[in-house]
Amino acid sequence: QVQLQQWGAGLLKPSETLSLTCAVYGGSFNNYYWNWIRQPPGKGLEWIGEVNHSGSTNYNPSLKSRVNISLDASKNQFSLRLSSVAAADTAVYYCARRGSDFWTNYPPDYWGLGTLVTVSS
Amino acid sequence: QSVLTQPPSASGTPGQRVTMSCSGSSSNLGSNYVYWYQQLPGTAPKLLIYRSNERPSGVPDRFSVSKSGTSASLAISGLRSEDEADYYCAAWDDSLSGPVFGGGTKLTVL
Repeated sequence: QVQLQQWGAGLLKPSETLSLTCAVYGGSFNNYYWNWIRQPPGKGLEWIGEVNHSGSTNYNPSLKSRVNISLDASKNQFSLRLSSVAAADTAVYYCARRGSDFWTNYPPDYWGLGTLVTVSS
Repeated sequence: QSVLTQPPSASGTPGQRVTMSCSGSSSNLGSNYVYWYQQLPGTAPKLLIYRSNERPSGVPDRFSVSKSGTSASLAISGLRSEDEADYYCAAWDDSLSGPVFGGGTKLTVL
């Protein structure tokens, strides 16, 4: 059974850098893409970006200038850093796994429990 | 503003069949599978339907999906109180090169 366990600071001041890490237990770390997705309070889901097992990344253009997603394959972990946060970045941040095959990419299947990150002065 | 469009709310009584829609475009629903998630209050989204109409182990066949062109619908038959949740549709978007989501439909069981 695949489990994603995430952690990181939950309260930030404007202009600080958000930092979250997600550890993957069970299943293969290879052959999947490891994603970060966020959900502002009372709102829908927004894809932030992803990293694959070889370290290649792909980001949402709307956040690309502030986002860095990295991985530590030796620990089956991947991390999110979002710089220069503002109140609009207040959200529950989820790590998630998604797959693909030769022809098709798929949305995430397994999700972490989420981390509420609040940005407030 | 979500890329996929869902009605904000839906409702039904126990035992009823309810449907909720998801509308997209040629770059997402028009060319890729639809996924559906159920999100109970305070919890992470749970995969409900994948590859347009496949259910993970443990998801009852009361949940089904239809898809045509750039639209999809989730149907829940034999509605139960525990089905009260937010439901999100998702699909891969070829223009974004990432997954896109609907804004969610809040289902109320009356």
